[in-house]
Amino acid sequence: DTAVSQTPKYLVTQMGNDKSIKCEQNLGHDTMYWYKQDSKKFLKIMFSYNNKELIINETVPNRFSPKSPDKAHLNLHINSLELGDSAVYFCASSQDWSGNEQFFGPGTRLTVL
Amino acid sequence: DAKTTQPNSMESNEEEPVHLPCNHSTISGTDYIHWYRQLPSQGPEYVIHGLTSNVNNRMASLAIAEDRKSSTLILHRATLRDAAVYYCILRVKPMNYGGSQGNLIFGKGTKLSVKP
Repeated sequence: DTAVSQTPKYLVTQMGNDKSIKCEQNLGHDTMYWYKQDSKKFLKIMFSYNNKELIINETVPNRFSPKSPDKAHLNLHINSLELGDSAVYFCASSQDWSGNEQFFGPGTRLTVL
Repeated sequence: DAKTTQPNSMESNEEEPVHLPCNHSTISGTDYIHWYRQLPSQGPEYVIHGLTSNVNNRMASLAIAEDRKSSTLILHRATLRDAAVYYCILRVKPMNYGGSQGNLIFGKGTKLSVKP
C-alpha cells in the first residue's frame, strides 16, 4: 500500500548509457514531481507535471526527459549519463498544483561510473 | 527566494519535548512556513505548515512569532524515530498554474539526534 513508489531503488551504470527511473503514486493526486539530491544533500526540484502536463522545468539539461503516461505515473529518462548525474532522485506527488503537502517516494540512488 | 536559517544540529533525549528554531527575517506576507523532515535513507516527509497562526497536527506543533520573522517546530515527545534532518522552508502559495514561485527550496536543515 505504498503511496509513492519508485523503481529501481539502486541503479549503477556506465557513463554514456541511457537509463530510466519509474514512479507511481496511488494517492489519486494530480501533480507529480522529480527532485534531485546531490552528494552534499541539497534537494532541488527538476520537473513538475500536473495531470500529464509539464508545468515546471527548472533548467534541467535536455538529456533528462520526463514522461507522464497518465497522472499516476511520472517516469524519468536520462540520456548519455554523466558522472555528475550521480545522485539520489526522488519522485513526489501532491493533491493539486498548489502543492501544499508533497508526498515523497523512497528515492533511487543513481551511480554513474 | 526568501531564506531561512536553522542550526546545523540539535540533540534531544527520548520522550522529552524538542523545539527546533527557524529564522526567516526576510519573510514576505505571502510566504507560508513549511516543515519537512528526512529520515536516514528515506524521502522527505511533510510535517506541518502555517501562515500566521500557530498550527497543530498529529506529528507536531508550529509556533509562529507575531512578526513572523521566526518560527519553532515543536515535537512534544521525541522518539528515536524522530531522528532526522528537519527542513524549514518558506514557500509562496502559487497563484498561477505552472509558476515556479511555489517551488519547495530545501536548505541544509537541522540534523536532530535523539538519545535513548
